Amino acid sequence: SQELEQSPQSLIVQEGKNLTINCTSSKTLYGLYWYKQKYGEGLIFLMMLQKGGEEKSHEKITAKLDEKKQQSSLHITASQPSHAGIYLCGADIGGNKLVFGAGTILRVKS
Amino acid sequence: NAGVTQTPKFRVLKTGQSMTLLCAQDMNHEYMYWYRQDPGMGLRLIHYSVGEGTTAKGEVPDGYNVSRLKKQNFLLGLESAAPSQTSVYFCASSYPHDEQYFGPGTRLTVT
Repeated sequence: SQELEQSPQSLIVQEGKNLTINCTSSKTLYGLYWYKQKYGEGLIFLMMLQKGGEEKSHEKITAKLDEKKQQSSLHITASQPSHAGIYLCGADIGGNKLVFGAGTILRVKS
Repeated sequence: NAGVTQTPKFRVLKTGQSMTLLCAQDMNHEYMYWYRQDPGMGLRLIHYSVGEGTTAKGEVPDGYNVSRLKKQNFLLGLESAAPSQTSVYFCASSYPHDEQYFGPGTRLTVT
């Protein structure tokens, strides 16, 4: 079965600093989704990557999928308190089913 | 549009009791899913459905049953609740090959 490992498990950054979250797969990724979850709430879709080398950005968040399609990174530039939450990566394992990583808890100190 | 809604938001059950969680979506999505989220384990797929009248097992289906009688609704049932089923349950829906939209979750405690 496909497994996703996220690192770090948790992260505390000073407001304004950049940060990166990684998602590594044991198998080739055919669709990689990034979601954000605020405490006690549902997941909000951020971005989807499918092609090796693909990069997408939305506001201050950039997601990349490496050429081998086994690792993705999520980079936040100039972090703000609104970026705090849990970030989860999910991999499409076929039939639109997703397997998720354990998540990265991000805290932003102001 | 309400998106994906879940009822109830919270529930406490005693071991052996049964209950049904309701998920509704108003986006005309074909696919619907039930996940559970436990600390340190991310989300795990319980059951899913690719269309009205169809259901299939996910990663952790034991102890749960589902039904999709109407396209917009997906029900998750626990026939005899166990403490191991204490979790936060999320429903999601999507078009084929598209991102999944998640509900706000149901926090279930089984004592």
